[in-house]
Amino acid sequence: QLRMQESGPGLVKPSETLSLTCTVSGDSISSSDYWGWIRQPPGKGLEWIGSISYSGTTYYSPSLRGRLTISVDTSKNHFSLRLSAVTAADTAVYYCARDRGFLKHDFWGQGILVTVSS
Amino acid sequence: QSALSQPPSASGSPGQSVTISCTGTSRDVGGYNYVSWYQQHPGKAPKLMIYEVSKRPSGVPDRFSGSKSGNTASLTVSGLQPEDEADYYCCSFAPNMGVFGTGTSVTVL
Repeated sequence: QLRMQESGPGLVKPSETLSLTCTVSGDSISSSDYWGWIRQPPGKGLEWIGSISYSGTTYYSPSLRGRLTISVDTSKNHFSLRLSAVTAADTAVYYCARDRGFLKHDFWGQGILVTVSS
Repeated sequence: QSALSQPPSASGSPGQSVTISCTGTSRDVGGYNYVSWYQQHPGKAPKLMIYEVSKRPSGVPDRFSGSKSGNTASLTVSGLQPEDEADYYCCSFAPNMGVFGTGTSVTVL
């Protein structure tokens, strides 16, 4: 049974870097096409952040490109997100998900709330 | 890339049908047959209901169906049941990226 679990700090100060990791269990991260990040500000809709293949090919949201880095570590079976220079607008529940290709997100983590505040 | 446009809300009585639209452009919805739909209950992670416009993952009831015409995709829920009350989001492939819809809150009256 595939499990995906987001981890990282729940509180980040403005202008600092938000770092999250998604640990995959029950399947090899090398077995699927892509792994993605999606976020949802409180009370608002879903926003696609980006995705990475097991070989390291990345796709980023144009609105976040320049602040965003997604990486993968196949030896640890996890992938990570780093978002720099955060503001209150980056406060959201961050989800990781398996992408079987072309935005077919068939498994999701439970999500982690990250609040940007001083 | 702007979010895809969905109606904020939709409703129906148990047993009735409800259809949710998802309008994009020729650069996303209209250009590719890669539209997916997600159901989200409060406080829960989204769940994949439809992919590649009209395909259902294993375990999703056949009451859920998807279609597309031009730049607009649609999700139809037939025979509404109380557990279908949730938020629904469309998502489309676009070159080198993805874009979600604004979301529709479905109420079962």
